[in-house]
Amino acid sequence: QKEVEQNSGPLSVPEGAIASLNCTYSDRGSQSFFWYRQYSGKSPELIMSIYSNGDKEDGRFTAQLNKASQYVSLLIRDSQPSDSATYLCAVSSGYSTLTFGKGTMLLVSP
Amino acid sequence: ETGVTQTPRHLVMGMTNKKSLKCEQHLGHNAMYWYKQSAKKPLELMFVYNFKEQTENNSVPSRFSPECPNSSHLFLHLHTLQPEDSALYLCASSQEGFSGGVDNEQFFGPGTRLTVL
Repeated sequence: QKEVEQNSGPLSVPEGAIASLNCTYSDRGSQSFFWYRQYSGKSPELIMSIYSNGDKEDGRFTAQLNKASQYVSLLIRDSQPSDSATYLCAVSSGYSTLTFGKGTMLLVSP
Repeated sequence: ETGVTQTPRHLVMGMTNKKSLKCEQHLGHNAMYWYKQSAKKPLELMFVYNFKEQTENNSVPSRFSPECPNSSHLFLHLHTLQPEDSALYLCASSQEGFSGGVDNEQFFGPGTRLTVL
């Protein structure tokens, strides 16, 4: 059974701080990793994808992947109240469908 | 219309009703998916269609019946549902019917909020 684990939160950070969201996965054969943002009552929106070890930066977002530790994280710099949402980690083993975590709720206070 | 669209956005139905959810993708993708999202649970994959062929049925009860007439349209036919089927039903699409590899990300529609009375 493939599993993706996330702390459900809420993770509370003040505006302007760095928010760090973490995800671990059980399948060592996983190859593709995604972060989705989901606002309350809305559908998931893809914000980052990462496929190789290391960091990938896109604006205020940085995804970090460590396959040896089976760990992927998302850093949000200069957090804004509009970043308040649930962040879903999703993992794929290549020729398989996505496995999602339950998500971490992020609250950014003004 | 752009991206992935779903209708209706909200649906309330009795346990004896028959209704259908519709999904349409305007991204030129070849794979489409149905997911169920319940409170406090991870997204649950229900069905996968790749080039109109069903490639995955995740042990979904027969009261949910999918239909994929072409690569752009996906339906979920509902009949004799139970109150525990109340959830957000999400449609997604991707270039191919597996989710690995660069440029094969899944994109979601806005969802249908279903309430079964």
